Amino acid sequence: DAGITQSPRHKVTETGTPVTLRCHQTENHRYMYWYRQDPGHGLRLIHYSYGVKDTDKGEVSDGYSVSRSKTEDFLLTLESATSSQTSVYFCAISESRYGNGGEQFFGPGTRLTVL
Amino acid sequence: GENVEQHPSTLSVQEGDSAVIKCTYSDSASNYFPWYKQELGKGPQLIIDIRSNVGEKKDQRIAVTLNKTAKHFSLHITETQPEDSAVYFCAAIWGDKSTFGDGTTLTVKP
Repeated sequence: DAGITQSPRHKVTETGTPVTLRCHQTENHRYMYWYRQDPGHGLRLIHYSYGVKDTDKGEVSDGYSVSRSKTEDFLLTLESATSSQTSVYFCAISESRYGNGGEQFFGPGTRLTVL
Repeated sequence: GENVEQHPSTLSVQEGDSAVIKCTYSDSASNYFPWYKQELGKGPQLIIDIRSNVGEKKDQRIAVTLNKTAKHFSLHITETQPEDSAVYFCAAIWGDKSTFGDGTTLTVKP
């Protein structure tokens, strides 16, 4: 998986609790992305980063925040988890901008269950 | 925003047959169209992609065609093998915006 790790790989939490997912890369790629994948659906972009401390929203950003203090780490935080945020979360990285044909490499995913 | 429709949602073929998956998109600004293969429990993996200034691209048994006028692009897999069984996703990209199709579950029967 192109030097991408996600932690934790599985998490069960309760409604209302804060949750942080971590994506770590060893490729020194500039761009990092967080997606969620729900059963029977494709990936939907939550947030992305185009550099340290530079982030922007995707199509489903409500209820999520991100931070990137180092090139290699991109954190996704659910401030107060809800059952609708039960999903599989994928991190991706790319060396150049996705729209310019920068190939995205995906991590192994984190399965989050909110009870 | 962009809307991507992918068909069929499931596809079953005999080993050695060809498989075709089609995606249509709505935003003419989209200019990059990757295809991903996702095996159970893993992240998606890029298998082929095409830019808007190209009509067709091939890589061994896999090809992608793009019709910009009709706003659709297709994945073609020839001589299918059991290891091609997986979920395939298309995507339409413009800038940093990405929209994925809902996926096609391909089953190749030996």
